[in-house]
Amino acid sequence: GAVVSQHPSRVICKSGTSVKIECRSLDFQATTMFWYRQFPKQSLMLMATSNEGSKATYEQGVEKDKFLINHASLTLSTLTVTSAHPEDSSFYICSARDSTGPVVGYTFGSGTRLTVV
Amino acid sequence: KQEVTQIPAALSVPEGENLVLNCSFTDSAIYNLQWFRQDPGKGLTSLLLIQSSQREQTSGRLNASLDKSSGRSTLYIAASQPGDSATYLCAVNAGNMLTFGGGTRLMVKP
Repeated sequence: GAVVSQHPSRVICKSGTSVKIECRSLDFQATTMFWYRQFPKQSLMLMATSNEGSKATYEQGVEKDKFLINHASLTLSTLTVTSAHPEDSSFYICSARDSTGPVVGYTFGSGTRLTVV
Repeated sequence: KQEVTQIPAALSVPEGENLVLNCSFTDSAIYNLQWFRQDPGKGLTSLLLIQSSQREQTSGRLNASLDKSSGRSTLYIAASQPGDSATYLCAVNAGNMLTFGGGTRLMVKP
């Protein structure tokens, strides 16, 4: 089945630095990928939709300059948290839409735990 | 705007019980509905996907039903095991994105 690889799984960074998270579709091409944020014991909150070759679409309230998204190829999307602060600490999950088969389903990465100190 | 609700928010059962998790959605114009499992600190694992034209899907001890007209889906887990302990999320696909429910945290006690 479709597999999405997300790296790193955990990262600790100092306040003010930037962190890049990668999301790769391993066995299918994904023209659209999604980035979510999840707070403890809460459901996933969609941050942005990443479209290959074009600008990402951000949800209301999500800062475009804080969370930079690049989807330069059909198998890779990256999320860069710029000038990270402790309040950016969270669990970030990516997802890719697999539209190559008869059924459109969504496959998720394993998530990245970001801790900003 | 699509809204997805899951009841109950948390559930604790003894091992061996059959249980039902509920999911409701406000807009019946959907393409499909997926049930996911999430273990603590992990990503989401797809359990079952039901197309809008289908009534149910089965995988092992799991059975998911869909009543699109009433905006409801259920996930039935037979003979629950401690390894089933996790958060279960339903998500509705109404176009280009998924809308998630709040999840049900399931604890199966040995």
